[in-house]
Amino acid sequence: DTAVSQTPKYLVTQMGNDKSIKCEQNLGHDTMYWYKQDSKKFLKIMFSYNNKELIINETVPNRFSPKSPDKAHLNLHINSLELGDSAVYFCASSQKRTGDEKLFFGSGTQLSVL
Amino acid sequence: RKEVEQDPGPFNVPEGATVAFNCTYSNSASQSFFWYRQDCRKEPKLLMSVYSSGNEDGRFTAQLNRASQYISLLIRDSKLSDSATYLCVVISRGGGADGLTFGKGTHLIIQP
Repeated sequence: DTAVSQTPKYLVTQMGNDKSIKCEQNLGHDTMYWYKQDSKKFLKIMFSYNNKELIINETVPNRFSPKSPDKAHLNLHINSLELGDSAVYFCASSQKRTGDEKLFFGSGTQLSVL
Repeated sequence: RKEVEQDPGPFNVPEGATVAFNCTYSNSASQSFFWYRQDCRKEPKLLMSVYSSGNEDGRFTAQLNRASQYISLLIRDSKLSDSATYLCVVISRGGGADGLTFGKGTHLIIQP
């Protein structure tokens, strides 16, 4: 069974559209994350979320918003997509409460904005 | 100075050789350190944690030098399958959006 799964794997869309990427983890972890990896392969955190606290990287535009229906899911909504949003987006989770900082990643969503 | 720095490479190494690369960090209060491996078009996967006393996992050895603020990864008897990008991760309270910062990675190519 996949520990962290995200869908879709590929997402091609037009500028200005609104899209969502879904993420689910079955590890029982308390914290989930969204990372963006650009064309230069730099992995940058966007959001960190547990059921009590959302930590936002201040460089992330407010067109991006995480939505968590329950502790096993953290979806990423993107409004008014721009060309510069094209990247690979990774969901991840960890059991941060116990001090275990190891991250488990989903397989990524390649977003292409045309 | 950037928070976490790695030589991007690529490091071209013949199969069977030993290769080592470092990762420097700027925050002296950094607490936890890890090496991740990322294959082309795949997600990063945890390779190993880095402990203060150094630690070994098979052909891989990780070390921490707090005085000089770097961690290292050494791969012995390299295999073709070791070809990947190796990312270091440094966790610092008060650093980054969640205290966790990835390096940009070192690209390793093992040649037959």
